[in-house]
Amino acid sequence: DGGITQSPKYLFRKEGQNVTLSCEQNLNHDAMYWYRQDPGQGLRLIYYSQIVNDFQKGDIAEGYSVSREKKESFPLTVTSAQKNPTAFYLCASSPSGQGNTEAFFGQGTRLTVV
Amino acid sequence: SQKIEQNSEALNIQEGKTATLTCNYTNYSPAYLQWYRQDPGRGPVFLLLIRENEKEKRKERLKVTFDTTLKQSLFHITASQPADSATYLCALDPLKYTGGFKTIFGAGTRLFVKA
Repeated sequence: DGGITQSPKYLFRKEGQNVTLSCEQNLNHDAMYWYRQDPGQGLRLIYYSQIVNDFQKGDIAEGYSVSREKKESFPLTVTSAQKNPTAFYLCASSPSGQGNTEAFFGQGTRLTVV
Repeated sequence: SQKIEQNSEALNIQEGKTATLTCNYTNYSPAYLQWYRQDPGRGPVFLLLIRENEKEKRKERLKVTFDTTLKQSLFHITASQPADSATYLCALDPLKYTGGFKTIFGAGTRLFVKA
């Protein structure tokens, strides 16, 4: 089945640790995205990538890093510099820019700082 | 400030009735507007896309309208069912004709359909 897979579903991070969230898609999409979702707020864009080996900062990139070495993979690292990382993280992909086409979302990773 | 507004209060309706959700936006002139469904603890699922030159779009029991003068989209679910209970998000590309890589999402409206 084609789709986009995020792992793990739940992740716990200790203070000062870096953690990496996985996102893989087999839809052959060029564009991939990372969003953060907090209660009562809309999805906020962290990073996006239009093509392999290229990525751009979104609205809340501070404390996060990404890589796009393969078309199907777009991992997100939450670094210790991110002061409030507890949130629901969503990865998405689309054939090109989302404006005129649907985005496909993964099932999300819930990150909690302990 | 630029933003999308969706009713933060949950909408409670009786099964069989029509649910109407509102999405208002300011300071944008989007070429497209999208609606997604999100169930608790899961990622959003695309439902409908409407273009600026389309007044209305339908898909089965779903209908979306897009009024660029009012800067508003309405999302209707007719003959609603308990299975329609979810949060519905609207989304748009704030930068017209520039690729849509920075789509903005509203916070969503929670819909409860009672049997």
